Amino acid sequence: AQSVSQHNHHVILSEAASLELGCNYSYGGTVNLFWYVQYPGQHLQLLLKYFSGDPLVKGIKGFEAEFIKSKFSFNLRKPSVQWSDTAEYFCAVKGINAGNMLTFGGGTRLMVKP
Amino acid sequence: DTAVSQTPKYLVTQMGNDKSIKCEQNLGHDTMYWYKQDSKKFLKIMFSYNNKELIINETVPNRFSPKSPDKAHLNLHINSLELGDSAVYFCASSQYSGSTDTQYFGPGTRLTVL
Repeated sequence: AQSVSQHNHHVILSEAASLELGCNYSYGGTVNLFWYVQYPGQHLQLLLKYFSGDPLVKGIKGFEAEFIKSKFSFNLRKPSVQWSDTAEYFCAVKGINAGNMLTFGGGTRLMVKP
Repeated sequence: DTAVSQTPKYLVTQMGNDKSIKCEQNLGHDTMYWYKQDSKKFLKIMFSYNNKELIINETVPNRFSPKSPDKAHLNLHINSLELGDSAVYFCASSQYSGSTDTQYFGPGTRLTVL
């Protein structure tokens, strides 16, 4: 079975601060990894994804994530956050032999103070 | 030009009632999903259909019955609604490619059971 853990449930930052949200997964095989963002009152939108190749993945809105296989991690980063980044962030994993099942972490609520 | 759409956006109903939520995607995808997001924002897959056939059916009460009349639609019917069914239900779709497909989400339906 696959699982995802997001250790930071709530993060509060000031504008221009750097962001790193942790994501660790559990799966005994090759994985595809995703970060989704949910702005207040809106649906989930894909930020970025990793399938293979360069473990440093760049997404929309200046976000990036690094897949570290040895640590089973896929942390999300942004060098300088903006107030508009206030949202809920979800890490998700799909094991390559787990059918098409996408498993989400519990989410991290980010609040950026202006 | 909405990719994945759901109706209704909000649904308020009494315990014991039967209700349906509709989902449509115009992306030409062959796989559709239903997820439940509880009050703590935890997202969990409920069902997945590929080419109108059920491929994922997580532990969901049999009061929940998905119906896929065609590849572009996956409706969710819920019988005998209970208080614990209150949640946001998200529909998603993808073009199944074995492992590297990406799921795109609808705007969600907030169900409140009184």
